[in-house]
Amino acid sequence: NAGVTQTPKFQVLKTGQSMTLQCAQDMNHNSMYWYRQDPGMGLRLIYYSASEGTTDKGEVPNGYNVSRLNKREFSLRLESAAPSQTSVYFCASREQGAVDEKLFFGSGTQLSVL
Amino acid sequence: AQKITQTQPGMFVQEKEAVTLDCTYDTSDQSYGLFWYKQPSSGEMIFLIYQGSYDEQNATEGRYSLNFQKARKSANLVISASQLGDSAMYFCAMRGAYYGQNFVFGPGTRLSVLP
Repeated sequence: NAGVTQTPKFQVLKTGQSMTLQCAQDMNHNSMYWYRQDPGMGLRLIYYSASEGTTDKGEVPNGYNVSRLNKREFSLRLESAAPSQTSVYFCASREQGAVDEKLFFGSGTQLSVL
Repeated sequence: AQKITQTQPGMFVQEKEAVTLDCTYDTSDQSYGLFWYKQPSSGEMIFLIYQGSYDEQNATEGRYSLNFQKARKSANLVISASQLGDSAMYFCAMRGAYYGQNFVFGPGTRLSVLP
């Protein structure tokens, strides 16, 4: 069972470069999320997609864009990377509905912006 | 707005002993869910346990139990008989029951189990 697959696992960028983080889930979940994890701050929501065809901003959306390509895939794009975007990025998915539906996470992407 | 507080940045526990990781939350919702996740040094996020706001009994999953005190708005994680493999970051999270509400995470507690 693959679950949530995100690529790449590691990436180093120079300031101003762009890149796209890819995420795919095979659990037929409606909702998908992108989080960033910084020391002492837990996970903060960047963008989410409640269902195919919709995307919404989370707590820290500035500097990012997303695309919900289809029900399986949800990508995160950094158009012009900044050192403040150095972080660990997680993609997650969950089934919409009951409050007890937990998040399933990908393995994370460690991004460094120099 | 919902908020999660984890006041213990780091904790130490002796192997085979029990440990409690604190979590308090703030919400005006009546219906919500509380979750705990474990993040070992390998980096993945592992779901541990869930407690619903209307659940009358504390949740348990193997060596994990959740000490839920609704009036105090606390949802502490109790790990019994600690093992070396329990050394990890632990995150408390909550989500309101209403459509469109998202998960809110605490800053985490780093647990170190000593041999």
